[in-house]
Formats: sequence, C-alpha cells, structure tokens
Amino acid sequence: EAGVAQSPRYKIIEKRQSVAFWCNPISGHATLYWYQQILGQGPKLLIQFQNNGVVDDSQLPKDRFSAERLKGVDSTLKIQPAKLEDSAVYLCASSLGQNGYTFGSGTRLTVV
Amino acid sequence: SQKIEQNSEALNIQEGKTATLTCNYTNYSPAYLQWYRQDPGRGPVFLLLIRENEKEKRKERLKVTFDTTLKQSLFHITASQPADSATYLCALKETGGFKTIFGAGTRLFVKA
Repeated sequence: EAGVAQSPRYKIIEKRQSVAFWCNPISGHATLYWYQQILGQGPKLLIQFQNNGVVDDSQLPKDRFSAERLKGVDSTLKIQPAKLEDSAVYLCASSLGQNGYTFGSGTRLTVV
Repeated sequence: SQKIEQNSEALNIQEGKTATLTCNYTNYSPAYLQWYRQDPGRGPVFLLLIRENEKEKRKERLKVTFDTTLKQSLFHITASQPADSATYLCALKETGGFKTIFGAGTRLFVKA
C-alpha cells in the first residue's frame, strides 16, 4: 500500500510571499488532515476533511491559510501572505474509520 | 483548561530495560487514545490505539494502559533496543468530537 505523499519536502520563502503544499492520501481514506508541527511541539490540527467537506477548521488562521480537497482525494494547503511564525513542518495525514492516522513525511517550511 | 501532558525531559535507558512513557490529560473525556512514534525529519507513525473502556493493549514488545480515573495512559516498551530511540507522541480523541489532539511528545534514548 502506497503511503501518504506530500510535496515539496522543503520550502524557503520570504515573509509576505505565498506558498502551497500538496497532499495525496492513501487511496480509499475518506478523512484527510493537515497538521502544523512547530519544532519541539506536537502536531496541531489545522483542518480536517471528510471526503471533500470540511469537518473542523477551528484552528486554521483563515485570514492567511486556505485549504481545499478536490473530488475528495488530493488536497492543497496555501499560505498567503506568510509570516515568520509560520515556519514549521506541515504534515498531511489520512485515515479510514476509527483507526490510526497515516502521516506523510511533511513539508518543512522556513519563512525568512 | 484542556491539556495533554507528556514528560518534556528526555528518557534515557539502557538496552534491554523497559521504557515507560506517561501521558496525562486534563478536562477531556476521551473516546480513545493513540500512541505514535516520530523519527527526526519524518511524520509520526501509528503504533497503538486504546479505547476508554479498555484497560490494556499489547502489540509485540509494546504495551499501553489507560486509566480514566487517573486520567493517564502509560506506554511501555519491553526489552528496549537502540532502534527504539525516537520521540513518542500520545494523541487523544474526545467522545463526540472530531479532532485528535496531540501531546508534545517524549524523546526516548536507548543506549547500547
């Protein structure tokens, strides 16, 4: 079974620029998550999709972050404009039912 | 306020000993609790899930206990090996809730 694919692996941008991350979940997994993990902290949920509908986006900074999941499969997360405090690893995960999550390797974003 | 707390100090143990990691929670009513392993530069990997009505779960050298009275889960690795060195994250899903909340993790070092 193929894992959760994310790209790019690394990204360095200047503050106020925009950036987009892509995620391809495990085939058949209805639920997709985007987490932000700041160095030394646990992952923090940004947004959760069930198929292509949003289940929870209460911690997504909606003035600058947006996410979509087209056709209930791939997803993109965008930041515009980026701030220094957005430097983190952005993790995508997927799950099926009440089972553990499968995470991708993440995108490490550095905002300078 | 709601909190999930794991030992922030790293745990150092000798190969062959049992490692025990703690996860405490406050002001949550968990439906289940998960444990993940995270290696540097990688996404978390799911290890075990234990439901609120279960006392103990085992998988090979891993054992998880869940005490809803103490509001605590313990994660044990028996006969530990240097390859077990990693950060271990606990994650909690509330009854009736959608999202899973992660602790900050505990770093484990197993010395040969």
